[in-house]
Amino acid sequence: EAGVAQSPRYKIIEKRQSVAFWCNPISGHATLYWYQQILGQGPKLLIQFQNNGVVDDSQLPKDRFSAERLKGVDSTLKIQPAKLEDSAVYLCASSPRGGPGETQYFGPGTRLLVL
Amino acid sequence: QKEVEQNSGPLSVPEGAIASLNCTYSDRGSQSFFWYRQYSGKSPELIMFIYSNGDKEDGRFTAQLNKASQYVSLLIRDSQPSDSATYLCAVRVSGYNKLIFGAGTRLAVHP
Repeated sequence: EAGVAQSPRYKIIEKRQSVAFWCNPISGHATLYWYQQILGQGPKLLIQFQNNGVVDDSQLPKDRFSAERLKGVDSTLKIQPAKLEDSAVYLCASSPRGGPGETQYFGPGTRLLVL
Repeated sequence: QKEVEQNSGPLSVPEGAIASLNCTYSDRGSQSFFWYRQYSGKSPELIMFIYSNGDKEDGRFTAQLNKASQYVSLLIRDSQPSDSATYLCAVRVSGYNKLIFGAGTRLAVHP
């Protein structure tokens, strides 16, 4: 079974530029998560999708971040415009149904450096 | 603000010893607790989860949960250099379907 796929793996941009990340979850997984992990910290949930609907986006900086999962499968996360403090690893995870006891499977992440 | 606290370490143990990693959480209603291992430059991978008070064992790993004290721990027996990584404690927030992660404890197992 293929794992969670993410691209690109690395991205370097200048502040005020825009950037987009792509995620393809494990086949059949209804729930998709985007996390931000700043160096030295644990992952922080940005947004959670159940199929193509948003379940939780309470910690998404909506003035600059946006995410979509149009067909309930793959997802994109966009930052526009980027700030220096957005430098982090962006992790995508998925789980079968989003139930309380389910394991979340993480992709390899995208490392973003904003100069 | 629901929080998960971990000692950042590094926790240094000799090969073959028991490593003890601790985590406290603020949300008294939390029901599910997870331990993830994260090697440098890699993504987190699940080691264990626990729901009930007491101990849960899986190979060299034992998770311990004390809901009254809002405390969860991970014991690694016969520690190996390959166990050297950051261990993330995650708590599922009551009433929601989201995980709150601690900052992680860095474990170093030396030969």
